[in-house]
Amino acid sequence: QQQVRQSSQSLTVWEGETAILNCSYENSAFDYFPWYQQFPGEGPALLIAIRSVSDKKEDGRFTIFFNKREKNLSLHIKDSQPGDSATYFCAASPNTNKVVFGTGTRLQVLP
Amino acid sequence: EAAVTQSPRNKVTVTGGNVTLSCRQTNSHNYMYWYRQDTGHGLRLIHYSYGAGNLQIGDVPDGYKATRTTQEDFFLLLELASPSQTSLYFCASSDWSSAETLYFGSGTRLTVL
Repeated sequence: QQQVRQSSQSLTVWEGETAILNCSYENSAFDYFPWYQQFPGEGPALLIAIRSVSDKKEDGRFTIFFNKREKNLSLHIKDSQPGDSATYFCAASPNTNKVVFGTGTRLQVLP
Repeated sequence: EAAVTQSPRNKVTVTGGNVTLSCRQTNSHNYMYWYRQDTGHGLRLIHYSYGAGNLQIGDVPDGYKATRTTQEDFFLLLELASPSQTSLYFCASSDWSSAETLYFGSGTRLTVL
């Protein structure tokens, strides 16, 4: 049973467009939601994260929109660049060190 | 930033073989983890540890043992490897003060023939 779901296995956008990656979760105890970025041949690395008390978190071109009532969140990548091509994992944690990951969305940004 | 080093980078073994994957972190983090990554499943937690000599069971522990010998070193043991354990394995660490932030190694690709 997948506790964190990412609706798209893959997504392709053109350079300059906004990429939107969606995620949903089941466990109401989750209160910390990180997004990890993984390039081929590397381990995942923390990109941006949000706590459930907030509905938006912005860091440069990356923004998380969070809807606690609907139990979903999305990562928006504004002005997508070919260098953003990677796999993005949505994850969740109930304020502990146990982090649950989604299945990942592979983003391809075409020049 | 934490440095997490895994070895070997690639490993091939046969069914029934004995395999040890190694992980070392150099930032004195308390917590260490072993995950496996498979297409369609994302990252799944196998075992984790709060410190030397401590071991906690993760979500997919069957067929795996682990041992934390020091603050820095965490090992994953497959004593009777099976083809279903063919996967990409990641070690990660985190500090007690921000335990939810994981720092990953570069991974070990294991193939069980």
